[in-house]
Amino acid sequence: ELKVEQNPLFLSMQEGKNYTIYCNYSTTSDRLYWYRQDPGKSLESLFVLLSNGAVKQEGRLMASLDTKARLSTLHITAAVHDLSATYFCAVGRDDKIIFGKGTRLHILP
Amino acid sequence: GAGVSQSPSNKVTEKGKDVELRCDPISGHTALYWYRQSLGQGLEFLIYFQGNSAPDKSGLPSDRFSAERTGGSVSTLTIQRTQQEDSAVYLCASTPRRGWAEAFFGQGTRLTVV
Repeated sequence: ELKVEQNPLFLSMQEGKNYTIYCNYSTTSDRLYWYRQDPGKSLESLFVLLSNGAVKQEGRLMASLDTKARLSTLHITAAVHDLSATYFCAVGRDDKIIFGKGTRLHILP
Repeated sequence: GAGVSQSPSNKVTEKGKDVELRCDPISGHTALYWYRQSLGQGLEFLIYFQGNSAPDKSGLPSDRFSAERTGGSVSTLTIQRTQQEDSAVYLCASTPRRGWAEAFFGQGTRLTVV
């Protein structure tokens, strides 16, 4: 059974700081996704990672994938308040997409 | 349509009643997913449809839950004899093809069972 674990589940950090969210998954997969969810809103796709060593960046967010370690990271550089949200990683196997529990990120001004 | 559309956006129902939740995927998307998100929790996979193939129902929590997809487009999730623990946001997502595309999500239906 495919399981996806994120840590930390909650993160409070100050503006300007860097931090990393980790996503581990239990079985081989052919794709990994990162999503953002704002309170009361639906999910917005951030990144799709398809191969070992894949790295994608958008603004202050950078995602990477290590398929051998079954690990993806979402790195936040010089955080700003607008990045406060819940971030989900999700792993695809066969035709399913299984989500982690999410990391609630709160960035203090 | 421009995006995944779900209706209703909010539904309050009495315990024991049946409810139907509707999802209209992005035009041309062949794959459709239903997820359940309880307050402050992650997304729980419920069911997956791909084209005309038999759906993957492995995530449905009980036989009170069922879903269908008519004509490869609109999907309906039905919950019979609702219970309070069914209260959650039900999210629908679609992808343009099987495999590697990201899922595009609707705004969800917030179901409250009183």
